[in-house]
Amino acid sequence: DSGVTQTPKHLITATGQRVTLRCSPRSGDLSVYWYQQSLDQGLQFLIQYYNGEERAKGNILERFSAQQFPDLHSELNLSSLELGDSALYFCASSALLAGSSYNEQFFGPGTRLTVL
Amino acid sequence: DQQVKQNSPSLSVQEGRISILNCDYTNSMFDYFLWYKKYPAEGPTFLISISSIKDKNEDGRFTVFLNKSAKHLSLHIVPSQPGDSAVYFCAASGINSGYALNFGKGTSLLVTP
Repeated sequence: DSGVTQTPKHLITATGQRVTLRCSPRSGDLSVYWYQQSLDQGLQFLIQYYNGEERAKGNILERFSAQQFPDLHSELNLSSLELGDSALYFCASSALLAGSSYNEQFFGPGTRLTVL
Repeated sequence: DQQVKQNSPSLSVQEGRISILNCDYTNSMFDYFLWYKKYPAEGPTFLISISSIKDKNEDGRFTVFLNKSAKHLSLHIVPSQPGDSAVYFCAASGINSGYALNFGKGTSLLVTP
């Protein structure tokens, strides 16, 4: 058990809909990362938050957004869903210190999103 | 573009022998490298890491080697055990990407009895 929790475990929805994925980081970790794993793309970085602020952006679509709350949990919002958004979405957290390269990230179990 | 590449999608090794998983990267700004292990229906689990100032890091049966000049790293598992059967991901990070992990596509390791 990594200490990172994600809900829900599975989500089935229709095209055009909006969903919210939730992540609680390990106790004490200030950084939260979101990754998408689709069949043909492997694990792709979406976005990072550090202590409530956006820190880095990867290949995140404009239809997707995220935020990190004062209690450090994070939510990933996916809107106007398309069939191609079906994937596993992972959240990871780390105790990243400012300026440190030593960044082991600990992953949650993921949310499997199916868009029909 | 794929900055971290694992060119072998699968590897099969006999129990007790050495497993060698390889990884290449293209971005010279990466300064930290990690290996993750993933079982089906679970998130990736951190295995071992190495910073760019080292060329070897060892943890029990797992050793990671880094060749900066060749932009190549490898994970050695000795001896291999059936419980090691999983997908192994190589990842790299650097300050210019906010330390987000850039993953390879994974190598599926099967250790047979």
